[in-house]
Amino acid sequence: EVQLVESGGAVVQPGGSLRLSCAASGFTFDDYSMHWVRQAPGKGLEWVALVAWDGRSTYSADSVKGRFSISRDNSKNSLYLQMNTLTTEDTALYFCARDMWGPLDFWGQGTMVSVSS
Amino acid sequence: EVVMTQSPATLSVSPGERAALSCRASQSIGSNLAWYQQKPGQAPRLLIYGASTRATGVPARFSGSGSGTEFTLTISSLQSEDFAVYYCQQYKNWSFGPGTKVDLK
Repeated sequence: EVQLVESGGAVVQPGGSLRLSCAASGFTFDDYSMHWVRQAPGKGLEWVALVAWDGRSTYSADSVKGRFSISRDNSKNSLYLQMNTLTTEDTALYFCARDMWGPLDFWGQGTMVSVSS
Repeated sequence: EVVMTQSPATLSVSPGERAALSCRASQSIGSNLAWYQQKPGQAPRLLIYGASTRATGVPARFSGSGSGTEFTLTISSLQSEDFAVYYCQQYKNWSFGPGTKVDLK
């Protein structure tokens, strides 16, 4: 059974940093690209970032470019999102999701990030 | 950047009725479109990909159509478990539409 479990969410002050993790199981992790998608409270889905299967290519939304960095460790079946210079606009539930060569076919349950003073 | 729009924002439907949700892309995306269903407190669930292919386990009452810039998700006979928010997503550069909420009339 495919499982994606996010962790690392917390309350952090504006300007702070946080690292999210996503533990994958039930599939061959390094066969798939992986994404982070976020959802602000009561709002819609916003794509955040993508990392290719081998970690060599990454892409990110303009709203997080230069502040967030996506990476992976295939030896640990893990996906990461390093978030720096956080603002209140980054407050959201962060999901990791598996890329089925385009669409996102499996999602975790999310980890909550709250940016507040 | 491809911008996705969805209409209507809210669709009020009675059980057993047909629902048609629209999604539009600001430029042609071919068939690189997916539909997701999200219920309160849950992660999104993939329903349709390639504009018209149902994902594994998705009931046949869900169908997708369209290509280029205009797409439609149709639920042929709404069941109680179908009341949710539906998002389209293009996977040329992965942006989502703002969603359509399907609620009980």
